[in-house]
Amino acid sequence: EAQLVESGGGLVQPGGSLSLSCSASGFSISIYPMYWVRQAPGKGLEYVSGLSSNGGSTYYADSVKGRFSVSRDNSKSTLFVQMSSLRAEDTAVYYCVAGGGYQKSYWGQGTLVTVSS
Amino acid sequence: DIQMTQSPSSLSASVGDRVTITCRASQSISSYLYWYQQKPGKAPKLLIYAASSLQSGAPSRFSGSGSGTDFTLTISSLQPEDFSTYYCQQSYSSPYTFGQGTKLEI
Repeated sequence: EAQLVESGGGLVQPGGSLSLSCSASGFSISIYPMYWVRQAPGKGLEYVSGLSSNGGSTYYADSVKGRFSVSRDNSKSTLFVQMSSLRAEDTAVYYCVAGGGYQKSYWGQGTLVTVSS
Repeated sequence: DIQMTQSPSSLSASVGDRVTITCRASQSISSYLYWYQQKPGKAPKLLIYAASSLQSGAPSRFSGSGSGTDFTLTISSLQPEDFSTYYCQQSYSSPYTFGQGTKLEI
């Protein structure tokens, strides 16, 4: 069964840093674009950052550009995001997603990031 | 970036009703579209991919149609468990943007 599992969420102070990981099992991530989607409390879904299947192309939402850095290790079936200079408005559940084009998409269960003093 | 606009943003319906949710893209996305169902506190669940392909395990009362810029999600006969929030997402080009969501209520 295809599965994505995020880890690394938690409470961090404004201005702090946090790293999230997403581990895949049951399928090969090497053929999928992968990305992070977040959902602030009571809000909709926001595409935050992503990479092409080979990692050659990256994308960052304007709201996180310069503060977040996304990477992937296909050999370890893992997606990462390094988040720095965190703000209160970054508080959200962060989901790891694999998929794009005509492919099915796979989602993790989400990890909560809370930015608060 | 491609903008995705869903309508309506909320919808009141009853068990047994036929319901249609619309998603419009700001440019042609061919058939590169996902539909998701999300319940409170849970990750979105894939219902439809490639605009009209039903995800394995999704009930057959869900169907998707459209191509280019205009898409619809139809629920043929609402069941109690269908009262949720629904999102469309384009998978044509990064960033894979989402519609703002449609909350389906009793």
